[in-house]
Amino acid sequence: KQEVTQIPAALSVPEGENLVLNCSFTDSAIYNLQWFRQDPGKGLTSLLLIQSSQREQTSGRLNASLDKSSGRSTLYIAASQPGDSATYLCAVRGDSNYQLIWGAGTKLIIKP
Amino acid sequence: DTGVSQNPRHKITKRGQNVTFRCDPISEHNRLYWYRQTLGQGPEFLTYFQNEAQLEKSRLLSDRFSAERPKGSFSTLEIQRTEQGDSAMYLCASNPRVGTYNEQFFGPGTRLTVL
Repeated sequence: KQEVTQIPAALSVPEGENLVLNCSFTDSAIYNLQWFRQDPGKGLTSLLLIQSSQREQTSGRLNASLDKSSGRSTLYIAASQPGDSATYLCAVRGDSNYQLIWGAGTKLIIKP
Repeated sequence: DTGVSQNPRHKITKRGQNVTFRCDPISEHNRLYWYRQTLGQGPEFLTYFQNEAQLEKSRLLSDRFSAERPKGSFSTLEIQRTEQGDSAMYLCASNPRVGTYNEQFFGPGTRLTVL
């Protein structure tokens, strides 16, 4: 059974710092991994999707990496801004079905 | 607006009542998903439709829960005899059958509070 873990559960850093969020999964038989952002009381915004054959994806100040064999992904945020404050979730889709299995998220606070 | 829409956005009900939520996916997205999210947790998969066919159901979807997508467009999720443990955010997502590598696009969710 696939399990997804995100560490840390919460993170508070000063504005301008570069930071890394971690996501690990127990079953390496994944089809893809997706990073999402969730603002309080709101739905989910897709940030980056990495196919199982890819090593990384970039969008603006965000870079996501995937090491399928070790069951790990990282989300790198460069030059953090207060507007980046949100909960970041990772989710994996397995090879054999279409559902996403989710981590519990990392709550990020960027202090001005 | 071309995004996924969900109605209502908020629902407060008394224990034992039935509730129904609606999801309108992005136009021409033939795959539709329902998830449930409780406070401080990631979403949990409930069910998945391809067109009008319900192809996957989680064991979380008890007998009190039923989902339909009668014409392969919008979907409804009904909860009968609600319990306080049903209080959660109910999220809907959609994607097309081809392209986008199964990236799922989410609606704003329906927040259910059972008193």
